Amino acid sequence: DVKVTQSSRYLVKRTGEKVFLECVQDMDHENMFWYRQDPGLGLRLIYFSYDVKMKEKGDIPEGYSVSREKKERFSLILESASTNQTSMYLCASSLSLSGYTFGSGTRLTVV
Amino acid sequence: QKEVEQNSGPLSVPEGAIASLNCTYSDRGSQSFFWYRQYSGKSPELIMFIYSNGDKEDGRFTAQLNKASQYVSLLIRDSQPSDSATYLCAVKGGSYIPTFGRGTSLIVHP
Repeated sequence: DVKVTQSSRYLVKRTGEKVFLECVQDMDHENMFWYRQDPGLGLRLIYFSYDVKMKEKGDIPEGYSVSREKKERFSLILESASTNQTSMYLCASSLSLSGYTFGSGTRLTVV
Repeated sequence: QKEVEQNSGPLSVPEGAIASLNCTYSDRGSQSFFWYRQYSGKSPELIMFIYSNGDKEDGRFTAQLNKASQYVSLLIRDSQPSDSATYLCAVKGGSYIPTFGRGTSLIVHP
């Protein structure tokens, strides 16, 4: 069964900490994405990558960065966590014309 | 600005009925259309996709696409309580970045 695996299901971090969220897919997909999902706001795209070492900003990249050193791994970095980054973070991967396969999500709380 | 609109609901239907979920989109160049199901506290799961005008059936699910009127629908026949979830519509144009609607909450009551 194809999979997108996110390293943590729940995470609690302190304000100002640097936070790493990891995502690994085993489907050889070119495209990988990071979204956050908040009640009433839907899915919002943070960053995406269409190839190794390539990255593009999504709709809300401020306060985040990403890294894609290998095709199967896409990392989201919160440079200095703030309370307004408390959210559900979803990683997804896809082929160019297909739908997404989502990971199980990381619920991040910043205190 | 590409927009995808869904009624937030909740849409409440009795068990065994047909649930009809609708989605309209603004970009006439849209080429592919997806429906995701998201249970509370879980991540979205792709359940249907459609590229051509008309109907596409998969078990109890039917996706309907009308590009001239810019809407896509999802019909769920013989609705079950286990179908209770939020259904997200997503629309792709020429790029590989879909635009998501905010979802319709479906409640199937026994």
